[in-house]
Amino acid sequence: DAGVIQSPRHEVTEMGQEVTLRCKPISGHDYLFWYRQTMMRGLELLIYFNNNVPIDDSGMPEDRFSAKMPNASFSTLKIQPSEPRDSAVYFCASSETGLYYNEQFFGPGTRLTVL
Amino acid sequence: RKEVEQDPGPFNVPEGATVAFNCTYSNSASQSFFWYRQDCRKEPKLLMSVYSSGNEDGRFTAQLNRASQYISLLIRDSKLSDSATYLCVVGTASKLTFGTGTRLQVTL
Repeated sequence: DAGVIQSPRHEVTEMGQEVTLRCKPISGHDYLFWYRQTMMRGLELLIYFNNNVPIDDSGMPEDRFSAKMPNASFSTLKIQPSEPRDSAVYFCASSETGLYYNEQFFGPGTRLTVL
Repeated sequence: RKEVEQDPGPFNVPEGATVAFNCTYSNSASQSFFWYRQDCRKEPKLLMSVYSSGNEDGRFTAQLNRASQYISLLIRDSKLSDSATYLCVVGTASKLTFGTGTRLQVTL
């Protein structure tokens, strides 16, 4: 199995630009999670999906952030417009069942820098 | 107060040493507990789940104290390859919360 795949691995953009991060979960996993990691705040859950349906987006920082999961094998996280404070590593993770008791498999992350 | 608190370290220990990390959590309704390991500039990976009775996996032992709301991780006979950041993770019915991690550096 290829594991969770994320693209791009690195993104450098200018303030005000739109950024789209992509994720392909492990085949057969029902849950998909988007996290953001910074030195100050650690790893924060932004949103998660169950069977392609967004379940909890309370971690999404503001309306500039949106996430979609059009099918079981693809999800996007979009930031529009981007701001320097959005600079972070964004991880996608997937799990077979359950939010809190099952192992989550993380992708390699997208390192986003907004200038 | 943070939901999950960890000493950021770094803990610098020589090879072969025993080292212990603690983690405290604030939500008494927490139901699941884990330790994840994260290498520098890599993704987190599950190290072990933490059960109420405590559990061991080779050189690693995890303990849970619900009354005091803390979790511990003990690493015996430290190896250079154990150098990483260890994330304490606590789950409720609605979400997982990650601690900011404790950095371990094992030296020769």
